[in-house]
Amino acid sequence: GIQVEQSPPDLILQEGANSTLRCNFSDSVNNLQWFHQNPWGQLINLFYIPSGTKQNGRLSATTVATERYSLLYISSSQTTDSGVYFCAVPSMDSSYKLIFGSGTRLLVRP
Amino acid sequence: ETGVTQTPRHLVMGMTNKKSLKCEQHLGHNAMYWYKQSAKKPLELMFVYNFKEQTENNSVPSRFSPECPNSSHLFLHLHTLQPEDSALYLCASSQAQDRRGPESSYNEQFFGPGTRLTVL
Repeated sequence: GIQVEQSPPDLILQEGANSTLRCNFSDSVNNLQWFHQNPWGQLINLFYIPSGTKQNGRLSATTVATERYSLLYISSSQTTDSGVYFCAVPSMDSSYKLIFGSGTRLLVRP
Repeated sequence: ETGVTQTPRHLVMGMTNKKSLKCEQHLGHNAMYWYKQSAKKPLELMFVYNFKEQTENNSVPSRFSPECPNSSHLFLHLHTLQPEDSALYLCASSQAQDRRGPESSYNEQFFGPGTRLTVL
């Protein structure tokens, strides 16, 4: 089945810094989601992005489906950005089944 | 708020207890999901319901029993659990899928806040 890898696994930033998180996937996908899991466990939808670039405030995402990767950019990071960032793609044998990466754990220090 | 609620938020139970987790979505979706998130592991899909019919059972032990009485509500009934079942249980919903396989489109999933379960 499809493999999803995220890097880096852990990231520590000083407040105000910028960062790029990467998601690689092993096969063609027809969509991709980025999530932020806050310290209380809530998964928050960030982007639903099969290809191209989307922006939402300080966050933006780019998916290059032909090259099998997606990037999440966080600019001017804040302490509330701390948590785990997951990317997920639908399985090729079932559109219901999301395959999650293992996440990037981000800590933003004040 | 994502439009998906879960209760209880925390649950501690013994191995002989029976309990139920509840999920409700207010997004007008027709598909609902249960996921399990254990420490140090990626999220694992457990069950999928599409228009109240179970369409996926990801080899989940029978001590977990899902129920979907309508498109807005989803339950996970728990009995004789093991300590290794301790985890965060997440519910999600989406628009239903029309077709399966690589030609079908994928509809965005929205997650509830989760129930943190501890089995003693």
